[in-house]
Amino acid sequence: DGGITQSPKYLFRKEGQNVTLSCEQNLNHDAMYWYRQDPGQGLRLIYYSQIVNDFQKGDIAEGYSVSREKKESFPLTVTSAQKNPTAFYLCASIRSLGGNTIYFGEGSWLTVV
Amino acid sequence: KNQVEQSPQSLIILEGKNCTLQCNYTVSPFSNLRWYKQDTGRGPVSLTIMTFSENTKSNGRYTATLDADTKQSSLHITASQLSDSASYICVVSARITGNQFYFGTGTSLTVIP
Repeated sequence: DGGITQSPKYLFRKEGQNVTLSCEQNLNHDAMYWYRQDPGQGLRLIYYSQIVNDFQKGDIAEGYSVSREKKESFPLTVTSAQKNPTAFYLCASIRSLGGNTIYFGEGSWLTVV
Repeated sequence: KNQVEQSPQSLIILEGKNCTLQCNYTVSPFSNLRWYKQDTGRGPVSLTIMTFSENTKSNGRYTATLDADTKQSSLHITASQLSDSASYICVVSARITGNQFYFGTGTSLTVIP
């Protein structure tokens, strides 16, 4: 079945370490997004990519980095520069600008210990 | 400023009862409005999507309405079931390039037997 796969589902990180969250889609979608979700808050955009080898910062990009070397993959690295990284991270994709449905992955829980 | 506000923040209802969730937005230029259901710890799943010209759209026991003049939408759930317990998120798209999605903070619905 087509969809978006995020991994790992749960991740624990020590302070000062970088960690990479994987996001893979087999929907042949052009645009991919990373959001952060905190309790009581709406989804906040970290980074997005509309085409391969191109990506743009969202509202809260500081402390994060991404790459888009392949159409189906959009990994997110949470660096040690991110001061409050403990959160639920969601990856999403849409066929193209103007596409109707946003598809979300199942999310990744990151906890800094 | 483009914003999406949802109310109530949380809601508890008895199984079998109906309920209505509200979404007010100031996003411009408006493209479409989506309602998503998000189970705890899972990715959001699309319920409905409505464009400017649509007033009502149904998906089973879920009925969404849109008043583009007052910039308001509602999601009505009929004959609630325990499985309806989730967070319901309103997402409004702007007709611009780049990041075009604006998320509400969601309404947490709990259905009790």
